[in-house]
Amino acid sequence: DTEVTQTPKHLVMGMTNKKSLKCEQHMGHRAMYWYKQKAKKPPELMFVYSYEKLSINESVPSRFSPECPNSSLLNLHLHALQPEDSALYLCASSPYLTDTQYFGPGTRLTVL
Amino acid sequence: SQQGEEDPQALSIQEGENATMNCSYKTSINNLQWYRQNSGRGLVHLILIRSNEREKHSGRLRVTLDTSKKSSSLLITASRAADTASYFCATDSSDKLSFGAGTTVTVRA
Repeated sequence: DTEVTQTPKHLVMGMTNKKSLKCEQHMGHRAMYWYKQKAKKPPELMFVYSYEKLSINESVPSRFSPECPNSSLLNLHLHALQPEDSALYLCASSPYLTDTQYFGPGTRLTVL
Repeated sequence: SQQGEEDPQALSIQEGENATMNCSYKTSINNLQWYRQNSGRGLVHLILIRSNEREKHSGRLRVTLDTSKKSSSLLITASRAADTASYFCATDSSDKLSFGAGTTVTVRA
């Protein structure tokens, strides 16, 4: 299995909702990442996990809460989001930090 | 945070022509990577060049790296309609990738 999967593909939520994005890889990679990408902009790093521990948080607001339950799974819990948080959320994994990253197809999030 | 700057922002070429895009960055790096993104989808890794390498080839792709000028270039030879996409350079430093603004390439049939 050489791919990163993300669910759901699309998500529409209100500002008072709580939802979660899920990312999974079975390549044995030890590093996993969350990125946010707005239209016609490059991906912006949000969080980095290495060996299931949070190693980088790019000053992301607390309404985004990452979780790494095991080496194959990465979640992003969403709560009380704002309309400006609407974006494509990309998950990626790599064998180790500073290595080639493999991206999932993304979750298109719309906050109403 | 965005470290790389890419040039040009957009490029339109005829099928069969070559496409060249450039990336400049600000700080020292472990490696520099190029990715492709088709409209609204995930990124696909194209090539990684380490800071001690000057040139790398992969199929129709050629990447150069000049660490003294803090710049890199990506050349796509004999372009095809399927090469239509956005191309991003990404610099790896401090255990994270910082992406450039990207170059949108359109290959006309």
